[in-house]
Amino acid sequence: AQSVSQHNHHVILSEAASLELGCNYSYGGTVNLFWYVQYPGQHLQLLLKYFSGDPLVKGIKGFEAEFIKSKFSFNLRKPSVQWSDTAEYFCAVKDAGNTGKLIFGQGTTLQVKP
Amino acid sequence: DTAVSQTPKYLVTQMGNDKSIKCEQNLGHDTMYWYKQDSKKFLKIMFSYNNKELIINETVPNRFSPKSPDKAHLNLHINSLELGDSAVYFCASSLEGARGYTFGSGTRLTVV
Repeated sequence: AQSVSQHNHHVILSEAASLELGCNYSYGGTVNLFWYVQYPGQHLQLLLKYFSGDPLVKGIKGFEAEFIKSKFSFNLRKPSVQWSDTAEYFCAVKDAGNTGKLIFGQGTTLQVKP
Repeated sequence: DTAVSQTPKYLVTQMGNDKSIKCEQNLGHDTMYWYKQDSKKFLKIMFSYNNKELIINETVPNRFSPKSPDKAHLNLHINSLELGDSAVYFCASSLEGARGYTFGSGTRLTVV
């Protein structure tokens, strides 16, 4: 079965620091990958997604992610974080079957100190 | 207008009760989902309906019964609530073949 693994469970950064959150997936075929953000008490919002084409994907709020097929990775990056980036971040892969479901990683809690 | 709306937003109830959570989407999507987010924030699919037909049922106890009266609605009924059912339940929708999912704002269920 497909799976998604996020290595960093809890990350604490100071404002203006650079961010990289790791995400690895298990499926070797064509993948559709997503990063979602969940601000405290809120619903999931899409940051960015990769389906094909340029492996460097730019999303909202200055986030980007790089798809590296050989490493089965889709790491999320931001050059300079802000206090308002404090949230839970989820990597997800679309099921390779035709169910359409998303399979989520365990999530990473990002805490940005002002 | 809210694209995927869930009601209620908060639900506190006693063990053994039966409760329902409603979800409606106005995006014209043909597939709807229920996800459960546990206390550790882990998100897991529960059910999926495509055009009112059940296509995913992920080993969820049969106390949970989804109902889709039409493709714009997917409700979740839970019988005999247990403490372990306490979680945030998210509804989502997507369009088959498309490349995005829209999530509702979640329903925080607390069983006491």
